[in-house]
Amino acid sequence: ETGVTQSPTHLIKTRGQQVTLRCSSQSGHNTVSWYQQALGQGPQFIFQYYREEENGRGNFPPRFSGLQFPNYSSELNVNALELDDSALYLCASSPGLDGTQYFGPGTRLLVL
Amino acid sequence: AQTVTQSQPEMSVQEAETVTLSCTYDTSESDYYLFWYKQPPSRQMILVIRQEAYKQQNATENRFSVNFQKAAKSFSLKISDSQLGDAAMYFCAYQGGSQGNLIFGKGTKLSVKP
Repeated sequence: ETGVTQSPTHLIKTRGQQVTLRCSSQSGHNTVSWYQQALGQGPQFIFQYYREEENGRGNFPPRFSGLQFPNYSSELNVNALELDDSALYLCASSPGLDGTQYFGPGTRLLVL
Repeated sequence: AQTVTQSQPEMSVQEAETVTLSCTYDTSESDYYLFWYKQPPSRQMILVIRQEAYKQQNATENRFSVNFQKAAKSFSLKISDSQLGDAAMYFCAYQGGSQGNLIFGKGTKLSVKP
């Protein structure tokens, strides 16, 4: 059974650029959640997708957007990057909305 | 709004000893789940243990156990026979029954001394 995978592992962008992060959910999981983890902090919820529909969003601006595909993989898109967007982005999948979330290894984004 | 508080930024334990990490939370919901996740320096968040609020019995997973006090809104993690590989950041997390997202505390950095 394959766990949650994320790509890329590291990324460097400059302010104002756009970025797309990808996540493949664990087999049998139909729900994907995205979190932002700043250095030294706990993860903060960005949004969640359940069966291709957004199901809840945290306190993040609209320039953070996402997609979930029919195979339940997901993308996180961030437009107009700001320096404060530098963080570890974690994706988690679960077998349903109240299922236990299993995390991928994360994507480290650095915005210069 | 629900909140999770971890009051111990750092803890240290001797190898083979026992350590307890504290977590308190605030919620008005009656149906929820609580978790402890471990994040080693490699950064992947790993599930340690899960507790359903409706269950009176404290969850255990091998050397890891919790002390769940629902009335006090307390959820501590006990690690027995600590091993060097237990060194990591430990996050307490809350998931409401009516929502799918996790709410995390700020974490406790655990060091294990040989």
